Amino acid sequence: EPEVTQTPSHQVTQMGQEVILRCVPISNHLYFYWYRQILGQKVEFLVSFYNNEISEKSEIFDDQFSVERPDGSNFTLKIRSTKLEDSAMYFCASSYTPGTMSYEQYFGPGTRLTVT
Amino acid sequence: AQSVAQPEDQVNVAEGNPLTVKCTYSVSGNPYLFWYVQYPNRGLQFLLKYITGDNLVKGSYGFEAEFNKSQTSFHLKKPSALVSDSALYFCAVRDASGGYQKVTFGTGTKLQVIP
Repeated sequence: EPEVTQTPSHQVTQMGQEVILRCVPISNHLYFYWYRQILGQKVEFLVSFYNNEISEKSEIFDDQFSVERPDGSNFTLKIRSTKLEDSAMYFCASSYTPGTMSYEQYFGPGTRLTVT
Repeated sequence: AQSVAQPEDQVNVAEGNPLTVKCTYSVSGNPYLFWYVQYPNRGLQFLLKYITGDNLVKGSYGFEAEFNKSQTSFHLKKPSALVSDSALYFCAVRDASGGYQKVTFGTGTKLQVIP
């Protein structure tokens, strides 16, 4: 069964450094998302991406964040200058195969980001 | 705006007994509703969805959920709980309009099945 993959599984970085989190969505999906989950808290929407542009973003997704689909398979989240409060689990998700009623989002296993 | 409420932080149930995890939602249009499960240090695993049609939907691992439009609820149920069902369960909603609508999650309910 196809699945969303994410690398790395755990990233440790120093405050102020840039990080890039990588995702490979399910191959025939059209919509891509990033969510984050601070330890023990709810899953929060960050951004959605469709047709090579941001569709929607939350108030969390400020200027330090950016997303990119550099080729036909990868979907990346860049955090330009990390802060301690960026420490969280980051989940990538993808959804929607054309011609189906399949609107559920499929999530990757997550990248645990630790900012020290 | 859309929102989800999961009123119980934790639900304890004895193995073999039926379980219910509650969820109510708010959305401006018609809802698409989802349940996800999260095991420790793992990602979110899709369980089931309501898009349209029959109000009782069946999903993975014997779980089912009932959509009740008048009560704006989508409670997760299972007739006989297993110890392996112990995990964190998230209810989620999105508006049916548009293809890329974000999903809004509830705060999660920890299910503890006692042997």
